[in-house]
Amino acid sequence: KAGVTQTPRYLIKTRGQQVTLSCSPISGHRSVSWYQQTPGQGLQFLFEYFSETQRNKGNFPGRFSGRQFSNSRSEMNVSTLELGDSALYLCASSFPLSDTQYFGPGTRLTVL
Amino acid sequence: DQQVKQNSPSLSVQEGRISILNCDYTNSMFDYFLWYKKYPAEGPTFLISISSIKDKNEDGRFTVFLNKSAKHLSLHIVPSQPGDSAVYFCAASADAGGTSYGKLTFGQGTILTVHP
Repeated sequence: KAGVTQTPRYLIKTRGQQVTLSCSPISGHRSVSWYQQTPGQGLQFLFEYFSETQRNKGNFPGRFSGRQFSNSRSEMNVSTLELGDSALYLCASSFPLSDTQYFGPGTRLTVL
Repeated sequence: DQQVKQNSPSLSVQEGRISILNCDYTNSMFDYFLWYKKYPAEGPTFLISISSIKDKNEDGRFTVFLNKSAKHLSLHIVPSQPGDSAVYFCAASADAGGTSYGKLTFGQGTILTVHP
């Protein structure tokens, strides 16, 4: 069974731009969570989607948003990029009613 | 407020010996705990988990112990192998009516180095 896939793997943007990251969950998984990993803050929860609905959200500004499609694929968007948004963005999926999450390889975003 | 803490930034172990990684938590609502292994520039790989109704769970060389009264869990790797060298994260979730709504709270990680 294929794992969680994320595209693109690497991205370089400049301040003020916006970016969209994509995540395809494991087949049969309907919950998709997003995390940001930085050296200073570690792994921080961004938000979670289930059945195209955002069910949970972490403490991030409104510039961070996401959505989920009917096939459970998910995208996250960051608008008006700041230098501090440089991070590894991780997507994870899980079966309904399971708290075990399986992670993708991540997207490394660099903001210049 | 760091609700999940891994107080040892690094651990060095000889091949064949036991590796013990520790994790403490403060939120009494946490009821499910996981350990992940991570290599640089890759996503975390799920290793093993434990529910709060248990105090031990084994999977091959990996055993997780949970002490609810002390709010402490540990991961034992026996025997340790050089390929185990990576960053290990503990994570926790709080059940809110049958689901954690996708939120895992992570510790800061412990770098494990296993020397041949």
